[in-house]
Amino acid sequence: SQQGEEDPQALSIQEGENATMNCSYKTSINNLQWYRQNSGRGLVHLILIRSNEREKHSGRLRVTLDTSKKSSSLLITASRAADTASYFCATSAGGTSYGKLTFGQGTILTVHP
Amino acid sequence: NAGVTQTPKFQVLKTGQSMTLQCAQDMNHNSMYWYRQDPGMGLRLIYYSASEGTTDKGEVPNGYNVSRLNKREFSLRLESAAPSQTSVYFCASSVLGATSSGANVLTFGAGSRLTVL
Repeated sequence: SQQGEEDPQALSIQEGENATMNCSYKTSINNLQWYRQNSGRGLVHLILIRSNEREKHSGRLRVTLDTSKKSSSLLITASRAADTASYFCATSAGGTSYGKLTFGQGTILTVHP
Repeated sequence: NAGVTQTPKFQVLKTGQSMTLQCAQDMNHNSMYWYRQDPGMGLRLIYYSASEGTTDKGEVPNGYNVSRLNKREFSLRLESAAPSQTSVYFCASSVLGATSSGANVLTFGAGSRLTVL
């Protein structure tokens, strides 16, 4: 079964607006990552947040992690048409299963010019 | 620097046929993975190899076999293809090895779209 559940499944916004995607998971994690997938392409790593971190920034991306609620959010500020893609959260449980990332179902983001 | 290269990009098979998906990485990564992606299901791990010479089952291994040919190459074989194996297959690699600790960031190939009729 999938570890991560993402919300919303699809998001449509105008260029310049902010986009927020949420991810919930079920079991304790070592870290949580966000990946982007452009149509017909492979996934590309965006940002990683460890279980002992609450917030992390990278350019226009901001990720938060609330381990008590088992949830994370990805905020893309000042979105651009080029941000149109699917976004996936992935969790790593750590320990002997450190290498096995479990992916959510993804959020499809459409940014209209 | 090519990263992770998968072949073929597209393949159509008839039920019962066999085929092998090839994957190679040139980043000297230790671990390699095969995922499948189906609509509404996200990515599911089929098999992985935490180091050269080892392979382990993931979430959905039935109907597949893998070979870690060397550190660079990790192939996925369908011995008798079924329509349920119609999917997009992704190979990925990461620098982490079997005894490493820390965060595991994956580098993905572009995918192989397989249709089984």
